[in-house]
Amino acid sequence: GESVGLHLPTLSVQEGDNSIINCAYSNSASDYFIWYKQESGKGPQFIIDIRSNMDKRQGQRVTVLLNKTVKHLSLQIAATQPGDSAVYFCAENVRGSTLGRLYFGRGTQLTVWP
Amino acid sequence: NAGVTQTPKFQVLKTGQSMTLQCAQDMNHNSMYWYRQDPGMGLRLIYYSASEGTTDKGEVPNGYNVSRLNKREFSLRLESAAPSQTSVYFCASKSGNTGEKLFFGSGTQLSVL
Repeated sequence: GESVGLHLPTLSVQEGDNSIINCAYSNSASDYFIWYKQESGKGPQFIIDIRSNMDKRQGQRVTVLLNKTVKHLSLQIAATQPGDSAVYFCAENVRGSTLGRLYFGRGTQLTVWP
Repeated sequence: NAGVTQTPKFQVLKTGQSMTLQCAQDMNHNSMYWYRQDPGMGLRLIYYSASEGTTDKGEVPNGYNVSRLNKREFSLRLESAAPSQTSVYFCASKSGNTGEKLFFGSGTQLSVL
């Protein structure tokens, strides 16, 4: 089965609040993690990535936190907006895996209500 | 710069029919991938191509074939479509072989009746 999973399949937040989307992984050999956003009817879009030698990385309104001790990854979205409504996927790269391919989780549906 | 372009966007097939999904990227990427996405599931890798002239199976290759026509193009063929192949298909590419982000196309919604 997939080593990348999600704690919650759905998340609803009010516009302006912060959102936190969680992801667990089981392979300690994973050395690279990435978050994608997928809007309805579209392909996944890159949001942010992080390598295993880092604990935190920030982008525009987004922050990814990596806790290697408990094999947990989270995506924080600040001041969530209606345009953030989408399915969010985490993916991991396992060091030494064929082609460095990514393994995807099932996704979390984020809904932002006014 | 269009990125990754997939055609068609929608397709309906009858069981047993064949078709080819086309994918092209204009980013000069070496690696290309075909994924399928089913409701409630993450993306599952069907086939990939590390470079022009090479292809390899992913997690769910049965019922599919691929061709890396050149560096730009990577096609996915269903020789005899089955209802289980009803899915959304995504093509993706990336420049390197390790730890770099994938760029995805907009997908092909395929229904097999």
